[in-house]
Amino acid sequence: GNSVTQMEGPVTLSEEAFLTINCTYTATGYPSLFWYVQYPGEGLQLLLKATKADDKGSNKGFEATYRKETTSFHLEKGSVQVSDSAVYFCALSHASGGSYIPTFGRGTSLIVHP
Amino acid sequence: GAVVSQHPSWVICKSGTSVKIECRSLDFQATTMFWYRQFPKQSLMLMATSNEGSKATYEQGVEKDKFLINHASLTLSTLTVTSAHPEDSSFYICSARQPLSGRDSAQYFGPGTRLTVL
Repeated sequence: GNSVTQMEGPVTLSEEAFLTINCTYTATGYPSLFWYVQYPGEGLQLLLKATKADDKGSNKGFEATYRKETTSFHLEKGSVQVSDSAVYFCALSHASGGSYIPTFGRGTSLIVHP
Repeated sequence: GAVVSQHPSWVICKSGTSVKIECRSLDFQATTMFWYRQFPKQSLMLMATSNEGSKATYEQGVEKDKFLINHASLTLSTLTVTSAHPEDSSFYICSARQPLSGRDSAQYFGPGTRLTVL
């Protein structure tokens, strides 16, 4: 079946450090890939997405490239801020019975210190 | 962008009572909504897929008689936790997709409802 694997957290960084959160997936067919962010006490928000191989999604300084050969969609940011502290979820969307069902990773908590 | 709301945002109830959580798509019609449960520091667990005008599709291990889902209109889905017990305490999140959206359409999430059962 389909699955998403994320690196375990928490990831603790100092402000302005480089961020990488690894995400790999297993899927049949050609899924779309997403990163969502959840700030404390809130629901999830879409951060970025990529719909086909070699696509790069980007938003708010975050980037992720759809790598079909390595089945990966790692999230990166060149310089993190304290306000980036949140939980980040990697997800894929796959077809199931005429609908598109999302599959989420376990989430990676990011803590950024001043 | 698409907005999904949930009500209430926080509810505390006594053991044995039932609690209804509403999920609304405010500026689009959602033929499909999803209900998730999130435990502290854990990922989202998909509970069920709610389809407008038909029965919900429950994930394996989710009791359909305990978690009643009704999707009576294109903008409203409700989750009722019946005879709630302390182990049902959790963060419940709904999401929706815009109609006729394909695999590359994102989910739009509600802000979540924190249920505490005493």
